Order: sequence, then C-alpha cells, then structure tokens
Amino acid sequence: GQSLEQPSEVTAVEGAIVQINCTYQTSGFYGLSWYQQHDGGAPTFLSYNALDGLEETGRFSSFLSRSDSYGYLLLQELQMKDSASYFCAVSRGNAGKSTFGDGTTLTVKP
Amino acid sequence: DADVTQTPRNRITKTGKRIMLECSQTKGHDRMYWYRQDPGLGLRLIYYSFDVKDINKGEISDGYSVSRQAQAKFSLSLESAIPNQTALYFCATSGAGGQNEQYFGPGTRLTVT
Repeated sequence: GQSLEQPSEVTAVEGAIVQINCTYQTSGFYGLSWYQQHDGGAPTFLSYNALDGLEETGRFSSFLSRSDSYGYLLLQELQMKDSASYFCAVSRGNAGKSTFGDGTTLTVKP
Repeated sequence: DADVTQTPRNRITKTGKRIMLECSQTKGHDRMYWYRQDPGLGLRLIYYSFDVKDINKGEISDGYSVSRQAQAKFSLSLESAIPNQTALYFCATSGAGGQNEQYFGPGTRLTVT
C-alpha cells in the first residue's frame, strides 16, 4: 500500500521561513507534488519533484530525497495569505494518479 | 472562465436518493479524476479516467459510479446516497506525463441526511 505522513499543523509569523515535511511509503514512486488549499476551496498545484534536489519557484521551494522517501516544502517570507492547508501527494509510474497526504494546516500570525 | 467547472456547487439530499455530480473542463486534457475530501483529511481518489474509453476505480469506489460522456465531461453518481457520503467532492484534470499537475474544480459540497 501507500502512506504519507506530514504534520497536521504548523504556526509561524509573518516574514519567517517555514518547512513542511512529508515522508512517504509507496512502490513504483514517480514523483512528489505539493498543493495548496484555502479553506475548502480548490486545491492548487505548487510544485513537483521527480528527481532528488531542490526546485525553486518564487517564495516556495520543494525538496526531494528519493533514497530517504522524504520531501519538504519550504515557504519563505511568509505572508498572511499563505495561511492554508498544504498537501503532499505521491504519484506512481507515469500513471497520472496521485495519493494525497492528510495535509498540514499552516497558520501565519502577524 | 474557469477551466474546470462542477455542478451543482452545493446539494442536500436524503438517504437512498440517486445523485449525479457533473464536471466539465476546457483544458483539453484526456485525464480526469473524482476525489472526495472529508474534514481534516486529504483527497481520496474515487475514480479516474485516462480517456473516453478508459475508466478505473480508485481507493474508495464502493457506492459510486462514473460516466465519461466526452473528453471534456466526467460525471460521478451516487446510486443510493447514504449519510457517510456527506463530503466535499472535487473533480480534477491533468495532461499526460510531465509534472502530473492536476487542475481542480471548485468542488461540490454534498450533504446526505
């Protein structure tokens, strides 16, 4: 089977840096994605890692270590609007379907 | 206009009723998905389709059925709704390969009483 673990809640202050970790167990691992969801709205894609290393997109970066079955999402220069739930998701093969973690609720405080 | 639309956005129904949730997309993607989200949990895959003639069960397909009427349309049916199917339902699409980026619709909030 597949499983993903990520912290349920993280709190940080505006302007800070926060890291949300994700560990996974799956066969046929293909890639790790990250999605953001505001208060029951549509999840939106943030990043994707298929190879080891760091991918940077503006204030957000995502890291993957395939040997450790581990990844993280790094959010820099936190803003209030970053308060949301963040989900990691693993895809197996180039099959297009993903298994999602239960999400991390990030609260950004002034 | 939104790339992925879902109707209805909200629905309250009674136990035993048949319900259909509809999804349309204008992204030209072949791959479409139906997910369910319960409070405090992630998205669980119900069904997915990689083209009009391809339908696959996901993690939690029991009690649900789907129809892929066209490349752009993928509907989810609850044949006989039960209260534990009360949830937020999302449709999503993706292109083939690459980053497997999925584009989600706005969701349908379904309540079964």
